[in-house]
Amino acid sequence: GPKVLQIPSHQIIDMGQMVTLNCDPVSNHLYFYWYKQILGQQMEFLVNFYNGKVMEKSKLFKDQFSVERPDGSYFTLKIQPTALEDSAVYFCASSGDWGGASQNTLYFGAGTRLSVL
Amino acid sequence: AQSVTQPDARVTVSQGASLQLRCKYSYSGTPYLFWYVQYPRQGLQLLLKYYSGDPVVQGVNGFEAEFSKSNSSFHPRKASVHWSDSAVYFCAVSATNYNVLYFGSGTKLTVEP
Repeated sequence: GPKVLQIPSHQIIDMGQMVTLNCDPVSNHLYFYWYKQILGQQMEFLVNFYNGKVMEKSKLFKDQFSVERPDGSYFTLKIQPTALEDSAVYFCASSGDWGGASQNTLYFGAGTRLSVL
Repeated sequence: AQSVTQPDARVTVSQGASLQLRCKYSYSGTPYLFWYVQYPRQGLQLLLKYYSGDPVVQGVNGFEAEFSKSNSSFHPRKASVHWSDSAVYFCAVSATNYNVLYFGSGTKLTVEP
């Protein structure tokens, strides 16, 4: 089936540095999402993105976070600067459409484990 | 606000046995409900979804689930599990806009040979 690829699978970084998490979504999808999962806790919505814009974001999407998809390439999540509490697994997802009575399926990547030291 | 509760963090069953996982949701409107499964080192894969209509929905890998509005539940079941069903299962509810999913904490299923 459709695949979402996340690169790298594990990233270790010192607190205060910048990190960029990369997501290669399903090729014809137009809607993109980031979720965050702290070890042992629920997966929580961060942000969704369409046509170059953030459509909705949660309170977890701090000012230090940003997303973009330049030139239709990777969909990225940048954290600058990183904090200890940013350590988590970050999941990217994409979908073909949204809304109404036909909520389309989200396709998820395997996640990037971010360790902030 | 919407939320999902999965009361069982871990479930262990024997191969060939029947299985039911549990999920209760909280949402004031019409819920869109999902179950996703995560195999080791893989992304989440859709197992089941309910939008409307027949409360019993068929999913992949022999799973089915019944939506109950009166009980605010969406429990999947399988008649006979296989060791390959061992994975973490997540229940999720969606708001009506933008496909935002709210996940439960997951149930780790172990199928013993």
